[in-house]
Amino acid sequence: DTGVSQDPRHKITKRGQNVTFRCDPISEHNRLYWYRQTLGQGPEFLTYFQNEAQLEKSRLLSDRFSAERPKGSFSTLEIQRTEQGDSAMYLCASSPNRDGYTFGSGTRLTVV
Amino acid sequence: SQQGEEDPQALSIQEGENATMNCSYKTSINNLQWYRQNSGRGLVHLILIRSNEREKHSGRLRVTLDTSKKSSSLLITASRAADTASYFCATDETLTGGGNKLTFGTGTQLKVEL
Repeated sequence: DTGVSQDPRHKITKRGQNVTFRCDPISEHNRLYWYRQTLGQGPEFLTYFQNEAQLEKSRLLSDRFSAERPKGSFSTLEIQRTEQGDSAMYLCASSPNRDGYTFGSGTRLTVV
Repeated sequence: SQQGEEDPQALSIQEGENATMNCSYKTSINNLQWYRQNSGRGLVHLILIRSNEREKHSGRLRVTLDTSKKSSSLLITASRAADTASYFCATDETLTGGGNKLTFGTGTQLKVEL
């Protein structure tokens, strides 16, 4: 297991299009998190899964955002009707406990 | 919203020197964690210090925590060019189901020059 994988690494999309990102966590980790990071800022929490259950969602996660983790394995984050303000790095992380996350390399989204 | 603020925002030092970064936060914490981020990459967990600890070491890293002042510092000794990165502190908050939500500061950009 080589860590947390995110796909794609980069995505350029036109405003109004839908995009979907995938995260493959470390297989033994039952906790999975999505964060968003804009330039010059620290990451901001979006949502949290314990196995397949989505237990927490940030107010940052508008109705256009949806996340799933079917069968408690990989997770997807979908953004519908993208806006320029959605341009950011989307980071996925997993952990087996509360003592530190393992982050993926992120998906950089550019909305033009 | 950002919980903490790192100070300085940017730091440039020569290889071999020590680098000190400070973090202040606003609310009571369970733990405080430090992460490193190389340009355009994900974050790497460096060290966690619990609220009842005052100092912790890991290799060339030393972290202190002062809960009365709501502040923490990260010291990197004998810096190397490979230490060039952004460094973030993060406080954590327990979530439903036992997970923890991290609230990050704005980061310190460290540049170590040869």
